[in-house]
Amino acid sequence: QKEVEQNSGPLSVPEGAIASLNCTYSDRGSQSFFWYRQYSGKSPELIMFIYSNGDKEDGRFTAQLNKASQYVSLLIRDSQPSDSATYLCAVNILAGTASKLTFGTGTRLQVTL
Amino acid sequence: DAGVIQSPRHEVTEMGQEVTLRCKPISGHNSLFWYRQTMMRGLELLIYFNNNVPIDDSGMPEDRFSAKMPNASFSTLKIQPSEPRDSAVYFCASTRLAGAYNEQFFGPGTRLTVL
Repeated sequence: QKEVEQNSGPLSVPEGAIASLNCTYSDRGSQSFFWYRQYSGKSPELIMFIYSNGDKEDGRFTAQLNKASQYVSLLIRDSQPSDSATYLCAVNILAGTASKLTFGTGTRLQVTL
Repeated sequence: DAGVIQSPRHEVTEMGQEVTLRCKPISGHNSLFWYRQTMMRGLELLIYFNNNVPIDDSGMPEDRFSAKMPNASFSTLKIQPSEPRDSAVYFCASTRLAGAYNEQFFGPGTRLTVL
């Protein structure tokens, strides 16, 4: 079993709709969870992080965490064509004072006009 | 702030040659990470340093790979000898060493092609 699993997609949603991206992780000791966006040919950039159960909202983005189910999701409201990218889920499994991230393989999102 | 700087941006080499990738982290950041990204395996952590000291190199695929961080502003990843299966995008990232919630900032990556 992979440590961090995501559906590779592509996930296709029409402009203005809600995109829902999901991620599961295997290590119950995971401390914090990150969503990165990666445009084709570019480097990953952080969208949000979450470390408490529940929802965290930032503009059109909402991260949701359920540690009991080992599940984290990212909702994108009012999806725009510029949101078309690969979204990487990352989990922080602390080891001492280190900040080691384990990434999923990413979900490719396509927002259609 | 210039962000994380990597060089070269593209490298094409022949099997058996030595390849050296370079990274300059963001000033003030004391954790540095080397990742490799391929379509098949996604983004994989190779090695990371805290305060210039290698902490975990369990992701380094084999002895052909080595990494150094001689000072807080420079790191190298070396592949010797290179093989076609090493072809990938190699990213360097940095962050401040302070626990679980710090954002890792990624460099633009080096696209390596080994013929």
